[in-house]
Amino acid sequence: EAGVAQSPRYKIIEKRQSVAFWCNPISGHATLYWYQQILGQGPKLLIQFQNNGVVDDSQLPKDRFSAERLKGVDSTLKIQPAKLEDSAVYLCASSSSGRFYNEQFFGPGTRLTVL
Amino acid sequence: LAKTTQPISMDSYEGQEVNITCSHNNIATNDYITWYQQFPSQGPRFIIQGYKTKVTNEVASLFIPADRKSSTLSLPRVSLSDTAVYYCLVGENRDDKIIFGKGTRLHILP
Repeated sequence: EAGVAQSPRYKIIEKRQSVAFWCNPISGHATLYWYQQILGQGPKLLIQFQNNGVVDDSQLPKDRFSAERLKGVDSTLKIQPAKLEDSAVYLCASSSSGRFYNEQFFGPGTRLTVL
Repeated sequence: LAKTTQPISMDSYEGQEVNITCSHNNIATNDYITWYQQFPSQGPRFIIQGYKTKVTNEVASLFIPADRKSSTLSLPRVSLSDTAVYYCLVGENRDDKIIFGKGTRLHILP
């Protein structure tokens, strides 16, 4: 079974530029998550999709971050404009449902460096 | 969601059994306890989950006392490849988001 795919793996941009990350979840998984992980900290949930609807985006900085999940499969996370403090690893995960006890499968992440 | 507390870091030697304890004093009746493992430059990986007593799989064991206010992840005979960050999470058996803390940074020495 193919895992969660993310691209790119690494991205370096200057502040105020825009950037987009792509995620392809495990086939058939209804729930998709985007996390931000700053060095030395645990992952922080940014947004959770159930199929193509948003379940939770309470920690998403909506003035600069946006995310979509078209057709309930792939997802894109965008930052515009980027700030220095956005430097982090952005992790995508998927699960068969949004219930806590369902295992989340994580992708390798995208390491973003904002200069 | 119940808050969890776990040691920031631990060191152990190859071949030893490692026990990482997580405190969750405010755990609710329906909460499950889940542990994830994260290697450097990778996303977290599910290790084990339990509700009460003891759960064992091919990777680890999870011990949960009767009051469920704490839990212990046990890794038997660790190797250098078990060096990772281990996260303890507690959540309810319904649509609920997962909140990761800082985890326990386990360093295995040769």
